[in-house]
Amino acid sequence: SYELTQPPSVSVSPGQTARITCSGDALPKKYAYWYQQKSGQAPVLVIYEDSKRPSGIPERFSGSSSGTMATLTISGAQVEDEADYYCYSTDSSGNHGVFGGGTKLTVL
Amino acid sequence: EVQLLESGGGLVQPGGSLRLSCAASGFTFSSYAMSWVRQAPGKGLEWVSAISGSGGSTYYADSVKGRFTISRDDSKNTLYLQMNSLRAEDTAVYYCAKDPLYGGNSLAFDYWGQGTLVTVSS
Repeated sequence: SYELTQPPSVSVSPGQTARITCSGDALPKKYAYWYQQKSGQAPVLVIYEDSKRPSGIPERFSGSSSGTMATLTISGAQVEDEADYYCYSTDSSGNHGVFGGGTKLTVL
Repeated sequence: EVQLLESGGGLVQPGGSLRLSCAASGFTFSSYAMSWVRQAPGKGLEWVSAISGSGGSTYYADSVKGRFTISRDDSKNTLYLQMNSLRAEDTAVYYCAKDPLYGGNSLAFDYWGQGTLVTVSS
């Protein structure tokens, strides 16, 4: 079955740039989405269609995709950005959704 | 304001059944595909199932295919997930989620409910 691979953890100091990667064979043809999940809360969409930011999401969140890798970048990470981040996409058929394993972002 | 409110979770024995509901408001429900996503305790997110806006197309993860059935009642703005032959590994918080694509089906999500807990245990 199709898989998306993320690093388990990323750690940065406040104000630094955090980058979280997501690799998958179908990403050249399928959009990547990114979700932020804080402890005990439902996930929130932070990036859709590789690089678009929903209204209400801070400008420090950006996304890109090249080849088989999508990247979520948080420029000037804040303590409140500490959360689990999940990439999401579909398999090449478009009939099955897949989440990456999640990346725990620590900002301290 | 988009609101999604799940209900129907609870404790069920292995092999049992449960039906989850998701009441939607704040958008034209019939024009959007909808999905179910689950999260086992302490684990990551897992896509479970999706249904097109018309209800004519349904999609399932291999882990639930043949046991779970997704459906919708557009007259009631409600999404359902019928879960049969439940297993311990189905224990999770189940979220309903709205597709961001008007009139289409991206199998992605822009709004999520707060989730309902399903526990499968004897």
